Amino acid sequence: KAGVTQTPRYLIKTRGQQVTLSCSPISGHRSVSWYQQTPGQGLQFLFEYFSETQRNKGNFPGRFSGRQFSNSRSEMNVSTLELGDSALYLCASSPPTSFQNIQYFGAGTRLSVL
Amino acid sequence: AQRVTQPEKLLSVFKGAPVELKCNYSYSGSPELFWYVQYSRQRLQLLLRHISRESIKGFTADLNKGETSFHLKKPFAQEEDSAMYYCASYNFNKFYFGSGTKLNVKP
Repeated sequence: KAGVTQTPRYLIKTRGQQVTLSCSPISGHRSVSWYQQTPGQGLQFLFEYFSETQRNKGNFPGRFSGRQFSNSRSEMNVSTLELGDSALYLCASSPPTSFQNIQYFGAGTRLSVL
Repeated sequence: AQRVTQPEKLLSVFKGAPVELKCNYSYSGSPELFWYVQYSRQRLQLLLRHISRESIKGFTADLNKGETSFHLKKPFAQEEDSAMYYCASYNFNKFYFGSGTKLNVKP
């Protein structure tokens, strides 16, 4: 099976712009979670989608949003970018089994805001 | 709110020495605990989970509910163990990750 695929791998944006990141989960996985990874804060949970519905949400401002499509692919959007949004954004999918609490991570999208 | 604390940002040991990476969690309900590892230039991946009670790559972790800890241990560290380690809890349908500990095993 192909792993979790995130595109693009790298992004450079300027303050005030918006950005969309994409995540394709492992085939058969219906849960997709997004995380922000920074050196000082570690991994911070953004939100989780399951069957096209946001099931959980972390403590991020409304500028961060997401959605999930019927094929389980997910997108994350960040509007009005700020310098502090520079980070590695990780996507993870989980299987619909008793192991559903295991997260399989993508390689991430590194966002740099100038 | 749930919290997972990894007090050490960096842990350096010599090859063959025992290693213990600390993890404490804030108690609420019955969280499921995990250790994830990220080797250089690789993806973050699951190392072990407490309900499996297994040893992976020589690592074990015991859940201590009294101390709300889930420390990761290995009796003899190897150079290939050098990586970033994250402790995580799953509770109330959410994952909570610690800030990570970088393990450096010196030759």
